[in-house]
Amino acid sequence: DGGITQSPKYLFRKEGQNVTLSCEQNLNHDAMYWYRQDPGQGLRLIYYSQIVNDFQKGDIAEGYSVSREKKESFPLTVTSAQKNPTAFYLCASAGGGYGYTFGSGTRLTVV
Amino acid sequence: ELKVEQNPLFLSMQEGKNYTIYCNYSTTSDRLYWYRQDPGKSLESLFVLLSNGAVKQEGRLMASLDTKARLSTLHITAAVHDLSATYFCAVVSGGGSYIPTFGRGTSLIVHP
Repeated sequence: DGGITQSPKYLFRKEGQNVTLSCEQNLNHDAMYWYRQDPGQGLRLIYYSQIVNDFQKGDIAEGYSVSREKKESFPLTVTSAQKNPTAFYLCASAGGGYGYTFGSGTRLTVV
Repeated sequence: ELKVEQNPLFLSMQEGKNYTIYCNYSTTSDRLYWYRQDPGKSLESLFVLLSNGAVKQEGRLMASLDTKARLSTLHITAAVHDLSATYFCAVVSGGGSYIPTFGRGTSLIVHP
């Protein structure tokens, strides 16, 4: 079945450490998105990519980086420059039609 | 800059009652989405509204869109406990960016 797979489901980061969240889709979608969710804050856009080898900053890109080397994959790296990374991270994709498909999310905690 | 406001942010209601969640947005929109999220889970798509006057219904939920007022509503009829969740609206603005901007969500608790 087609869908989006995010891994890991839970991730723990030590101070000063970079961590990478995986997002893979087999829907043949061109566009992919990363959102951060904090309690009571809704979803805020970190980065998006509308085509392979191209991506754009969203509203809260500072302290994050992404790559889009393959259509299927859009990994997000949370760098040590992100001072408050504890949150729920959601990846989404879209392609044709009007729907957006969301992954199951990664919960990142700083320890 | 597109802003999306939902209200109320918290809603506690009894089973069998009706209520409406409101979603206001600040600029012209191509389309509007409603999603449901259970605690710790991903987003489940409920409705997509594409044009002025659009109305969609699924079970006890009905969504409508008024593009002139820049307002969408999600109406809950005869609420049941299973509807307890957080509901988000998301707006995709015109101009071809196709990036959803989300409201803060409405946390709904339905009491027996």
